[in-house]
Amino acid sequence: NAGVTQTPKFRILKIGQSMTLQCTQDMNHNYMYWYRQDPGMGLKLIYYSVGAGITDKGEVPNGYNVSRSTTEDFPLRLELAAPSQTSVYFCASTRQSEAFFGQGTRLTVV
Amino acid sequence: QQQVKQSPQSLIVQKGGISIINCAYENTAFDYFPWYQQFPGKGPALLIAIRPDVSEKKEGRFTISFNKSAKQFSLHIMDSQPGDSATYFCAARGGGSQGNLIFGKGTKLSVKP
Repeated sequence: NAGVTQTPKFRILKIGQSMTLQCTQDMNHNYMYWYRQDPGMGLKLIYYSVGAGITDKGEVPNGYNVSRSTTEDFPLRLELAAPSQTSVYFCASTRQSEAFFGQGTRLTVV
Repeated sequence: QQQVKQSPQSLIVQKGGISIINCAYENTAFDYFPWYQQFPGKGPALLIAIRPDVSEKKEGRFTISFNKSAKQFSLHIMDSQPGDSATYFCAARGGGSQGNLIFGKGTKLSVKP
């Protein structure tokens, strides 16, 4: 099993550009999450999904959008990228209590 | 009330020593307390977890101590090794088996040879 796979690993965006961070999992987990990690700030929840077709906001959703058309995929969309969105983004899925994380996408907005 | 406060922010320990990381919470509805370990360039991975009906859980060199009345829990790494050098996050979950995890800000541990 590949687990949780994120693409791309690295990306540099210009201010105002848009992009989609891809996340897919092959564990048939219903629950999926997007976090951002900033130095010294831990992991902040952006959006989460409890199953295909259902999404909800987390702690820091502004400037982001998500969709969940299938159990496997949970893409994160950035519209009009801003320097404040420079961060490392992690996708995760959960089985019962344990969260499984992808390897992250390091995004820089310049 | 949804916060999990973690300390210290960074920790340097000699090889063979004991590493101790502390976390505190306010929300008594939290019912699951995991610790995650993250190596540079990788995603966090579950290390060990505890539920509030027990006061201690041990897995190899890693032990969680849980004090329900004080609303505190800690991670102890015995016989710390250079390979334990990583960032450690405590977390707490409320709202049942699929509630969202609330993470502490992390502790960067360096174990010196």
